[in-house]
Amino acid sequence: QVQLIESGGGVIQPGGSLRLSCAASGFTFSVFDMHWVRQAPGKGLEWVAGIRFDGNNKYYGDSVKGRFTISRDDSKNTLYLQMNSLRAEDTAVYYCAKDRTGGKNSYQNYWGQGTLVTVSS
Amino acid sequence: DIQMTQSPSSLSASVGDRVTITCRASQGISNNLAWYQQKPGKAPKLLIYDASTLQSGVPSRFSGSGSGTDFTLTISSLQPEDVGTYYCQKYNSVPLTFGGGTKVEVK
Repeated sequence: QVQLIESGGGVIQPGGSLRLSCAASGFTFSVFDMHWVRQAPGKGLEWVAGIRFDGNNKYYGDSVKGRFTISRDDSKNTLYLQMNSLRAEDTAVYYCAKDRTGGKNSYQNYWGQGTLVTVSS
Repeated sequence: DIQMTQSPSSLSASVGDRVTITCRASQGISNNLAWYQQKPGKAPKLLIYDASTLQSGVPSRFSGSGSGTDFTLTISSLQPEDVGTYYCQKYNSVPLTFGGGTKVEVK
């Protein structure tokens, strides 16, 4: 069965950096696009970033562009999100999500349970 | 960027009631729309994709319709386990924007 397990969350000071990881299993990781979606406390879902199955194309939401970097290591079946210059408004649960396909825009059919990032001094 | 607007933002209905949630895109997105259910403290779960296709394992009381800019999610007979927040998402292009959510409660 498909499993997505996020890790790396925690409390970080404003301006700091953090790297999230998402360990994938139960499917052929290298053929699917992957995404990060976040949810601030008591708020709705916000798409953060996506990466194509081959790693050649990466996409970002306006609120994180230039500060966050999505990447993947297919040899480790792991998705990453490098977060720099963190702000209080980046405080959220970060979900890793698997796309339905690889190479074209689609919906997400599996989600991890999320990891909480708190940006606070 | 295309904006997604959901209404209502919350609703309360009785068990057995028919519930309808609407989602409007600021530009046409064909049928590239998904609906997700999120229960408190849990990850979102895919309910419907391509505007009207039920994800495997989702109860048949859930249905979706629409194309272009206007979409609806219908629960034909609300059950206690349907409590949660429902989100639409467009995926025709990046950014993959979500609607603001509709919180569903049972009276």
